[in-house]
Amino acid sequence: QKEVEQDPGPLSVPEGAIVSLNCTYSNSAFQYFMWYRQYSRKGPELLMYTYSSGNKEDGRFTAQVDKSSKYISLFIRDSQPSDSATYLCAMSANTGNQFYFGTGTSLTVIP
Amino acid sequence: GAGVSQSPSNKVTEKGKDVELRCDPISGHTALYWYRQRLGQGLEFLIYFQGNSAPDKSGLPSDRFSAERTGESVSTLTIQRTQQEDSAVYLCASSRPSLGEQFFGPGTRLTVL
Repeated sequence: QKEVEQDPGPLSVPEGAIVSLNCTYSNSAFQYFMWYRQYSRKGPELLMYTYSSGNKEDGRFTAQVDKSSKYISLFIRDSQPSDSATYLCAMSANTGNQFYFGTGTSLTVIP
Repeated sequence: GAGVSQSPSNKVTEKGKDVELRCDPISGHTALYWYRQRLGQGLEFLIYFQGNSAPDKSGLPSDRFSAERTGESVSTLTIQRTQQEDSAVYLCASSRPSLGEQFFGPGTRLTVL
């Protein structure tokens, strides 16, 4: 079993839709959770960073962590064509340890 | 301040040749990571440096791969006797352990002919 599971998609939505991206994990020790956005031929860009359970909101983006279910989500409201990218989740047990990445979900927002 | 930089941005080499990839982390970031990303795939962990501690090499796929880092500065990833399956984007990231967020460079796209 992989440490982190993420549906690769592709996911295609109309502009203005709410997008939900998800990852599940198996290691209950994970407590640091990140979402990255990666445009084609670019390095991943950090979007959201959360510690332990709960929600975190930043503009149109909301990250949710449910440690009891070992499930994390990223919601994008009022999606824009510029949101079209691959979204990667990542997590770690401690800040100084190895990070485990999902395989990424490819998102296309259609104008 | 400057982000993580990597060089070269693209490298084309012939099978069997050695290549060296360079990463300049963000100043003050004591942790440095190398990842490999094959086309359409996720990130594959290769190696992790933290300060002066022994590196975590558990992700290196074979003994053809090695990496060095001098103190808390530049790191080089060396691939000896390259094979076609080594073709991928090699990404470097750095972080401050107290915060944990990794910041990535733009990557080096390696093509082995």
